[in-house]
Amino acid sequence: DTEVTQTPKHLVMGMTNKKSLKCEQHMGHRAMYWYKQKAKKPPELMFVYSYEKLSINESVPSRFSPECPNSSLLNLHLHALQPEDSALYLCASSQEGRQKNEKLFFGSGTQLSVL
Amino acid sequence: GNSVTQMEGPVTLSEEAFLTINCTYTATGYPSLFWYVQYPGEGLQLLLKATKADDKGSNKGFEATYRKETTSFHLEKGSVQVSDSAVYFCALSDATGGYNKLIFGAGTRLAVHP
Repeated sequence: DTEVTQTPKHLVMGMTNKKSLKCEQHMGHRAMYWYKQKAKKPPELMFVYSYEKLSINESVPSRFSPECPNSSLLNLHLHALQPEDSALYLCASSQEGRQKNEKLFFGSGTQLSVL
Repeated sequence: GNSVTQMEGPVTLSEEAFLTINCTYTATGYPSLFWYVQYPGEGLQLLLKATKADDKGSNKGFEATYRKETTSFHLEKGSVQVSDSAVYFCALSDATGGYNKLIFGAGTRLAVHP
């Protein structure tokens, strides 16, 4: 199984809502990532977890809250988002998150619209 | 800081044409270099990679060589197919600070017509 599964595929939320994005992999990877991709732009790194510890936070606003309950699961909790947060949110995983030659496996993403 | 610059798209080609997508990078250390591809409505997939100078990555007829002297990693394919239509991202990764950080270029959209 070389898949990274993300749910939901689409999400529409209001600015006062609280929602969560979920990501799962069963490749035995110990690193998981959240990327944000605006239309016609490259993915931008948000967070990296390595061995269930938050390793990189790219100065992401606190309305985005990541959680890694175990090495197979990664969540992104959303609260009080703004319309400009509308984007495709991509989850990825890799072997350890500590080697520069690691291949990242990406999910298909959650397309988020904030109204 | 580290960065990746790709040629602007879109690139429009006829089937069986030769493809080159230029990519240059700026890095303080010795990064690994990658090409990822994104098909419509999907996430990214690794196409090929190179981890040190003069390495050549290849996959599915695509090739790219890690050129340290020109800080480049240009993607080439001798004969493109309609199914190659996608967005191609050049990327670099280093582990400065102990953790892998993958940085993407802006992406180049390729459209191949029959």
